[in-house]
Amino acid sequence: GDSVTQMEGPVTLSEEAFLTINCTYTATGYPSLFWYVQYPGEGLQLLLKATKADDKGSNKGFEATYRKETTSFHLEKGSVQVSDSAVYFCALRTSNTGKLIFGQGTTLQVKP
Amino acid sequence: DVKVTQSSRYLVKRTGEKVFLECVQDMDHENMFWYRQDPGLGLRLIYFSYDVKMKEKGDIPEGYSVSREKKERFSLILESASTNQTSMYLCASSPGQLYGYTFGSGTRLTVV
Repeated sequence: GDSVTQMEGPVTLSEEAFLTINCTYTATGYPSLFWYVQYPGEGLQLLLKATKADDKGSNKGFEATYRKETTSFHLEKGSVQVSDSAVYFCALRTSNTGKLIFGQGTTLQVKP
Repeated sequence: DVKVTQSSRYLVKRTGEKVFLECVQDMDHENMFWYRQDPGLGLRLIYFSYDVKMKEKGDIPEGYSVSREKKERFSLILESASTNQTSMYLCASSPGQLYGYTFGSGTRLTVV
């Protein structure tokens, strides 16, 4: 079945460091891919998305490129801030099931 | 912006009580979903609905039921609350099958 695998956390970085959170997927058909962010005590917010191969999603300095050849959608940010501390979820959705399939989430801690 | 509103942020209920969690969205979305989120287990789909009066079981429907009498409202019902249903409950909606979800802020339910 469809699945998403994320790198395990927590990821701890100093402010202004470069961030990569790895995400790979397995899916039948052609999924749309998403990154969600969850701040403490809150629901999930859509961070960015890509709907076809080679698309790049971007928002708030975060980027991710839909790589069909490597079935990956890694999240990157050039310079993280303390306010980026949160849990990040990679997810996919296909027309086969219509359901959003989530990875386990990666906790990011950014220290001043 | 689409808004998904969950009626309570925090709830405390007693074992055996019937519990209603309400979710309302204001953008005429077809699809609505209920998840629970637990540490170490990620997000698990309880029930979902693709249209009014339609409902489908997710991955963990046992002990829960749902109601969708109107398009904008999707209610999750715990027929007889148990302590193992203590969790964060997240509602989401979506306009269609390849779109992302918009989440509510969550309801943290404690069953004592």
